[in-house]
Order: sequence, then structure tokens, then C-alpha cells
Amino acid sequence: QVKLQESGPGLLKSSETLSLTCRVSGGSVSSHYWSWIRQSPGKGLEWIGYIYYIGTTNYNPSLKSRVTISLDTSKNQISLNLTSVTAADTAVYFCVRLRLSSFDVWGQGATVTVSS
Amino acid sequence: DIVMTQSPLSLSVTPGEPASISCRSSQSLLHLNGYKYVDWFLQRPGQSPQLLIGLGSTRASGVPDRFSGSGSGTDFTLKISRVEAEDVGVYYCMQTLESPYTFGQGTKLEIK
Repeated sequence: QVKLQESGPGLLKSSETLSLTCRVSGGSVSSHYWSWIRQSPGKGLEWIGYIYYIGTTNYNPSLKSRVTISLDTSKNQISLNLTSVTAADTAVYFCVRLRLSSFDVWGQGATVTVSS
Repeated sequence: DIVMTQSPLSLSVTPGEPASISCRSSQSLLHLNGYKYVDWFLQRPGQSPQLLIGLGSTRASGVPDRFSGSGSGTDFTLKISRVEAEDVGVYYCMQTLESPYTFGQGTKLEIK
């Protein structure tokens, strides 16, 4: 059974870079698509982007200029970088597997708070 | 972007009674391959969303058969045939036909 576990700093200051990792257990990152989705009280659930194991990426245009998703096959993990954060980036960030066009496995989420 | 609009935004249901949630998309989610690219999720209090229904009508692994999904190109419905206490939470629809993938606002289900 595939499990996803997000980790990273929970508190950032405005203009810093958000960096999260997602460790995959019970499966390999070298298959399927892997995505990040965030949830904030103000904007609800928002898809950030995905990466395919061969390296293809697709980002939400609203975040594209600031976001990078990458894979580390040696560590079996996925990473998210979001630059120049503001209070609007305060959210719970989920790592999610995208399989057969459905988001079928979700991590527990990592809470990120951006302070000014 | 495709806009997903859910209704109602909240509902209160007696255990054992049915429940229905509607989701309307701003454009058709019917692909040329015949599949409808809409998923349904349940987010229980304090938990991550979990996939209930994929591609419009396919129940995810382990999901009870009291949950069903149906719909046409732009109008979709999630039905719970007999609501149980464990069904409490927020239900979301989502489209995966076209990037950026987008969610509905959520429908909060509570038990009477």
C-alpha cells in the first residue's frame, strides 16, 4: 500500500522559499504522476502542479512563475519549491499520487504558515 | 479555467436516509474517449481528502457501494443511498479533464 509523508519547515517569512519533500513508501516514484495540492481557508483546494516520473511537469499558471516540482528517484521522494512566499501561500500542502486521471493517494499534509 | 460549482453547500441528513450532492462544470467534462473527467472526494474532520469516485462513476478501492456517481457532460451527482455517521465531512468534486485541475467549493454533510 502506497503511503505519502510530507515534511518541511512549518513557518516562513514573507519573500522566503517554501521547500517541502514527500517521501513515498510502499511504491516507487518511478511510475505514475505525482502532484502537490494545497488547501487554505480562503481559496479552498488548489492544484499546484504535477511531475511525471520521466521528468515532465505541468504547473498551475497562477503559480507557474514561482513553483518547481522535482523527483529524487534515489531517495524515492518528490519535492516542492515555491519562491517569494506571501501570507496568501499559508496553507496545508498535500502530496498526492495521480493515477488513471484520479488523485487516489494523499499524504496527511504539511501545514505552512507565512508571517510578515 | 473550468469552474466547478457545487450545491448545496451544506446539508443535514438523518442516518439511513439518502443524500445527493450536485456539481456543475462551466464546460463539458466528457472526453472523446467516453470518460467523464470528474472525481469526488470526502474530507473527514482533521483528515486528508480521500477519493470516493473517479472518472464520474468508478468507486475507488474500499469505498462502500452506498456511494455512487453519475452525470452528463456538465452536471454531475454524488449519491449516498443510506447515510451513516462516518459519512460526516466535506465533499468535493474536481475536474481532471483540463489543466489547471479545479475543485468545487465543497459541501458539508452533517448528521441530524
